[in-house]
Amino acid sequence: EVQLVESGGGLVQPGRSLRLSCAASGFTFDDYAMHWVRQAPGKGLEWVSGISWNSGSIGYADSVKGRFTISRDNAKNSLYLQMNSLRAEDTALYYCAKDQGPYYYGRGNWFDPWGQGTLVTVSS
Amino acid sequence: QSVLTQPPSASGTPGQRVTISCSGSSSNIGSNYVYWYQQLPGTAPKLLIYRNNQRPSGVPDRFSGSKSGTSASLAISGLRSEDEADYYCAAWDDSLSGHWVFGGGTKLTVL
Repeated sequence: EVQLVESGGGLVQPGRSLRLSCAASGFTFDDYAMHWVRQAPGKGLEWVSGISWNSGSIGYADSVKGRFTISRDNAKNSLYLQMNSLRAEDTALYYCAKDQGPYYYGRGNWFDPWGQGTLVTVSS
Repeated sequence: QSVLTQPPSASGTPGQRVTISCSGSSSNIGSNYVYWYQQLPGTAPKLLIYRNNQRPSGVPDRFSGSKSGTSASLAISGLRSEDEADYYCAAWDDSLSGHWVFGGGTKLTVL
């Protein structure tokens, strides 16, 4: 069974940093692209970032470009999101999601499954 | 403001058929597949429809998807109380350097 378990969320002050992790199991991690998708409290879904199987291709939403960095360690079956210069509007539940193919840019791929999320709250 | 436009709410009675629309543009729905996700209260999103109209195994055939031009629809027939959830459409967007976009979500209420 595919499992994705996020961790690393918490309360952080504006301007500070936080690193999220996603531990993957139940599939060959280095065959697939991975994504981070967030959901602000009471709001909809927003794609944050995606990374291809070998980290060769990476993409970000404009809202986080230059502040967030996605990475993966295939030897550890883990996905990461380094979040710097955090703002109040980054407050959200952050989901890790598996792609169906090796590349994050998906004309034919989709997100399945999703983890349960880790909550990031940016507040002073 | 979401790139894909969905009605914020929809409703129906048990047994009815309801549809949820998703409107986009030539850079997303018009040139790429559409996906639908169901988010039950307090849970993570779950894939409901992929590549416009394909159902993953385990998704009842009461759920169906369609796409025409720059719009897509999710139809739910034989509405059941357990269908009460938020529904999101998604697509790849070719504009700029490319990115994934979602609709704002539609909250379905079963009356």
